[in-house]
Amino acid sequence: DQQVKQNSPSLSVQEGRISILNCDYTNSMFDYFLWYKKYPAEGPTFLISISSIKDKNEDGRFTVFLNKSAKHLSLHIVPSQPGDSAVYFCAGTGTASKLTFGTGTRLQVTL
Amino acid sequence: NAGVMQNPRHLVRRRGQEARLRCSPMKGHSHVYWYRQLPEEGLKFMVYLQKENIIDESGMPKERFSAEFPKEGPSILRIQQVVRGDSAAYFCASSPLAGPYNEQFFGPGTRLTVL
Repeated sequence: DQQVKQNSPSLSVQEGRISILNCDYTNSMFDYFLWYKKYPAEGPTFLISISSIKDKNEDGRFTVFLNKSAKHLSLHIVPSQPGDSAVYFCAGTGTASKLTFGTGTRLQVTL
Repeated sequence: NAGVMQNPRHLVRRRGQEARLRCSPMKGHSHVYWYRQLPEEGLKFMVYLQKENIIDESGMPKERFSAEFPKEGPSILRIQQVVRGDSAAYFCASSPLAGPYNEQFFGPGTRLTVL
């Protein structure tokens, strides 16, 4: 049972444009969501998070939007930079401390 | 300020052997989590430990897998009698506080290959 889904395995965006990565979840108990970025042969690095009491959280070039009624969140990166090329994982959590991850979206930012 | 350390980074075992994966959390962190990433999949939670206690092992396979986080020393994930399906990247994460709203800091992972 895939509780967190990232339906786009890959995304290619030109440098300077906006990257939009999407994530859907099914577990209504999730009330906190996180985005992690992962380079090859490294561990995931925390990027940004959002609580279910909010619908938007912004940190520099990164903004996460949460639509609770649709059980959908998205990560916007603007402007996209070549160094943003990585795999992005969405994760949800509730009262338990464990994170439930999606399968990831590979973002490639081209020149 | 060293991050989460994992060793070895790469481990090769033959079927039936034992694999021991070590994780040293960040300084001051007493909460450790283990995740496994199979090829082309996301990370899946295995176990959550505090010093000397297993808090949540709901993601651990029922057989052959065990984890510990002793009072002194690193956390150990032990896989007995490894099979090819155990080949994966195993990530450890740590956090300073309990609860789901605290950022988990991940180590670089141990890539286990079972021949």
